[in-house]
Order: sequence, then structure tokens, then C-alpha cells
Amino acid sequence: ETGVTQTPRHLVMGMTNKKSLKCEQHLGHNAMYWYKQSAKKPLELMFVYSLEERVENNSVPSRFSPECPNSSHLFLHLHTLQPEDSALYLCASSQDPTGNYGYTFGSGTRLTVV
Amino acid sequence: TQLLEQSPQFLSIQEGENLTVYCNSSSVFSSLQWYRQEPGEGPVLLVTVVTGGEVKKLKRLTFQFGDARKDSSLHITAAQPGDTGLYLCAGEDNYGQNFVFGPGTRLSVLP
Repeated sequence: ETGVTQTPRHLVMGMTNKKSLKCEQHLGHNAMYWYKQSAKKPLELMFVYSLEERVENNSVPSRFSPECPNSSHLFLHLHTLQPEDSALYLCASSQDPTGNYGYTFGSGTRLTVV
Repeated sequence: TQLLEQSPQFLSIQEGENLTVYCNSSSVFSSLQWYRQEPGEGPVLLVTVVTGGEVKKLKRLTFQFGDARKDSSLHITAAQPGDTGLYLCAGEDNYGQNFVFGPGTRLSVLP
């Protein structure tokens, strides 16, 4: 399978639940990202991993916890979320962390917090 | 943090019409990228422009990078319903420190 695959595509969770989003890439890319896309807002960078090490964390609340066990897999662990966290969460990969070669995005996970 | 502005925010046109959308900043960018995002999917990279004044064509789409590398435009000729989507520009600043996305132009092409 090629490209960037995200699961699940849709997720509804209560504020007390714990869930995880999964991202997988088979492009041989060295950098992976989590972005949040809300209505009427630009894409917000959440986390950047380069060669499995976190290189950027844009002041994201601790209720979001990323994990990158290897260069092909990226997780976003969620716990005690708020309704305002409802959004499309996009995973992306690129050849290097500069983004100069462009990003390959997954289809996203549409998260609804109730 | 540098900001990218895009205009118009929304655009609804009839099939066969031409259109241009814009991406602007007060800062210089080393490169700019254009993406199209269809409903329910992630953004897909269309093109990267690097050199000031550069023009790239992708079938009916023409991309231009401003001479000063602060702005870019996307022109679509004879738009089709399949062109419908959110068009995002994105770029890295001249210092290689920030990569940002614009808010996008939402295009709707009616048959």
C-alpha cells in the first residue's frame, strides 16, 4: 500500500474517553506531522517528527500525546478532550522536515467530541 | 510567524469560466506550494514554485510566483466541476524556520 493511511476515518468520543489515531506511510519519508483543521481556520501544525524524534511541539495541550515508534508509524493519543477539539486531524509525511519537497497528506480522521 | 492570506475566501462559478485565486504575504518566501483539498480528503500537492517570476502549468492550471517571492496566483482555465475544492497555498519563510498554510479559497464549480 502506498501513500499515507489514517485510521479511523471517523471517531466520536466522550470527554472522558481515551482513544488513539493512527497514521502509516510507506513512502520512505523521514518526517511525519500531525495537523489540526478546524472550520474557518488555517491548518494548524501540532507535532513534527524527524527520524522518529520530535522536533516541534506547537504549544499543544497535554491532552494530545503523540508517539512515533518508527519512521513509518505515527500515533496521536487522545484523553479528556473538550468539544472544541472536534476537528479534522490530518497526518502528513515529507522527505525531510523542511517541507520543501511538499507534504503527502492522509485522508484525515474526523473527530467529534461529545 | 509569517502569515499567508488568500483571496477570495469563497468562489462559485459556472463550468467553463476562468478564474484566478491569490496568495499574498508581506514576507519573502523561499518557496510556495499549492494544494487542493476535496471534501472528506486530505490536501494534495499540485505544484511547488521556487524562483521569483516562475510560471508553471499543470493542464488547465497556471501557477505564478511573484517576482519578489511574496505572492502567488493560481489561474484555472475553463473550470470543470472536478476542480471543486479548497485551494491552499503554503510556504517556508526565507530563514527556513517556519512552514505555514494559508486559510484557503473554497471553489465551487457548478455544472
